[in-house]
Amino acid sequence: DTGVSQNPRHKITKRGQNVTFRCDPISEHNRLYWYRQTLGQGPEFLTYFQNEAQLEKSRLLSDRFSAERPKGSFSTLEIQRTEQGDSAMYLCASSPSGTGSGYEQYFGPGTRLTVT
Amino acid sequence: QKEVEQDPGPLSVPEGAIVSLNCTYSNSAFQYFMWYRQYSRKGPELLMYTYSSGNKEDGRFTAQVDKSSKYISLFIRDSQPSDSATYLCAMSAMSFQKLVFGTGTRLLVSP
Repeated sequence: DTGVSQNPRHKITKRGQNVTFRCDPISEHNRLYWYRQTLGQGPEFLTYFQNEAQLEKSRLLSDRFSAERPKGSFSTLEIQRTEQGDSAMYLCASSPSGTGSGYEQYFGPGTRLTVT
Repeated sequence: QKEVEQDPGPLSVPEGAIVSLNCTYSNSAFQYFMWYRQYSRKGPELLMYTYSSGNKEDGRFTAQVDKSSKYISLFIRDSQPSDSATYLCAMSAMSFQKLVFGTGTRLLVSP
């Protein structure tokens, strides 16, 4: 396992359709984060899991967005009734836990979403 | 005002130059600091991470944190054209918390 993987890498969808993205974190990393990045901006936090528990959600995460991590391994992010404003790069990151070290976050390649 | 401020650049330097990239922040609770490199249409790649104040060196990269001034820096020695990318600073208050990012500085290293 060489890093965080995300699928699909690119997704083009029509406004109003539902889309689902998958993230596989680095093995044994029990913290998983979703971020969204638009052109010319840094990533913005969406939500965070510790194992299977979703511990924090951003106000950016409207009720059209839902994220799960059912067995504490991979995670999915679903967007329902997509809007053009949802077009962005969706990034997943994972982090080891523990005191001292284990605060750094490693990012995947991202899923680029285009809503037409 | 954003919590983390970063000059978007672009910063253009000749190959071999020493590059200085900087961020300022307003939240005094931040104590975990990271620098990422991001190539166009790729995910951020972790370069350096530091806790609290001080310096950390790794190869051509040096990260500095001055919590009293709320200022962090990344220095790149002997810059190469392959270093041309966007550099993002990121920070958090607790080890497990979300990262707050700057907008990124675009660096161009010319041969």
